Amino acid sequence: GAVVSQHPSWVICKSGTSVKIECRSLDFQATTMFWYRQFPKQSLMLMATSNEGSKATYEQGVEKDKFLINHASLTLSTLTVTSAHPEDSSFYICSARGLGSYEQYFGPGTRLTVT
Amino acid sequence: TQLLEQSPQFLSIQEGENLTVYCNSSSVFSSLQWYRQEPGEGPVLLVTVVTGGEVKKLKRLTFQFGDARKDSSLHITAAQPGDTGLYLCAGEKTSYDKVIFGPGTSLSVIP
Repeated sequence: GAVVSQHPSWVICKSGTSVKIECRSLDFQATTMFWYRQFPKQSLMLMATSNEGSKATYEQGVEKDKFLINHASLTLSTLTVTSAHPEDSSFYICSARGLGSYEQYFGPGTRLTVT
Repeated sequence: TQLLEQSPQFLSIQEGENLTVYCNSSSVFSSLQWYRQEPGEGPVLLVTVVTGGEVKKLKRLTFQFGDARKDSSLHITAAQPGDTGLYLCAGEKTSYDKVIFGPGTSLSVIP
């Protein structure tokens, strides 16, 4: 149980285009989903927290208009990187937590490369 | 400033050796989790500790939560090459809050 998937697993896009990443909880209802980015050899940095049906809460320094997060259902959250630039290239990881649970379960990550 | 500190940052040991990784903070956490991450993959949850002084064992891994709930340790006995990876501690200050990650400890176990 507690499986989280991400799609795509990797994506290459051109500078200036937008990319959408999906995060799905496959066998449980995720009331809260988290989006992280991770640079090589570094830890995970929380970007935003989203609760189903509510607007996402962004961490300080994360641009809301650049990283659009939607959590429209209890099993799906999406992160859209708008007008991507090479510095947005990173490993993006989502996690999901069920109602009343301490634990969050991570997706396998999405490697974004912006050329 | 990191809310959670981990030490050591890097560790390279021979197969069969024991090791301990530490996770420290000046803040109190309602719970702490330990994850292991391999390159190109998402973190995998190893354990969650919620009670001060709690000790949990997972085969050769022993996890302890400090009495004051500000620190935790991960001890691996007789390390194996399959233990190689990035070990991350993470905590939430209040229940069901966002989870903050430490910087990680990169472990390499040499056959």
